[in-house]
Amino acid sequence: EAGVVQSPRYKIIEKKQPVAFWCNPISGHNTLYWYRQNLGQGPELLIRYENEEAVDDSQLPKDRFSAERLKGVDSTLKIQPAELGDSAVYLCASSIRANTYNEQFFGPGTRLTVL
Amino acid sequence: AQKITQTQPGMFVQEKEAVTLDCTYDTSDPSYGLFWYKQPSSGEMIFLIYQGSYDQQNATEGRYSLNFQKARKSANLVISASQLGDSAMYFCAMRGVNAGGTSYGKLTFGQGTILTVHP
Repeated sequence: EAGVVQSPRYKIIEKKQPVAFWCNPISGHNTLYWYRQNLGQGPELLIRYENEEAVDDSQLPKDRFSAERLKGVDSTLKIQPAELGDSAVYLCASSIRANTYNEQFFGPGTRLTVL
Repeated sequence: AQKITQTQPGMFVQEKEAVTLDCTYDTSDPSYGLFWYKQPSSGEMIFLIYQGSYDQQNATEGRYSLNFQKARKSANLVISASQLGDSAMYFCAMRGVNAGGTSYGKLTFGQGTILTVHP
């Protein structure tokens, strides 16, 4: 079974440029998560989708971040414009459902460097 | 609100020895789950073990066991017979259910502990 797929793995951009990350979850997983992991810290949730509906985006900086999951499968996270403080690893995860006991499977992440 | 505290920034262990990684949590949720993940230098998060707040027995998965002490709000990970490949960052995380029975969905992570296994 294929795991969570993310691309690109690495991205280097200059500040004020736009950037987009793509995620394809495990087949059959209804719940998709985007986390941001700053250096030396644990991941923090940006947004959670149940199928195509964003059900928790309270931590998403909506002035510059946007996300979509149009057909309830793969998802795109966008930053426009990027700032120096956006340098981090962006992790996508999926689970069958968002129940307490359902394990979340993580992708390899996209490491973003903003210069 | 949920909070996870991992007080050990780094731990060292000799190969084949056992090691305990500490995790304490704080929550007012009536029900919750506790998870441990391993993150090697390559970056992916690997699920290790899960403990439900109402589980009567401590969880075990191969060389991993979770020492769950609900009254003390601790969920320490024990790795037996350490291997060189165990060297990585380890994260404790939790996910809760509110009084209405709805899962918050997201995982709340601690700061992590870097484990180094010496030959």
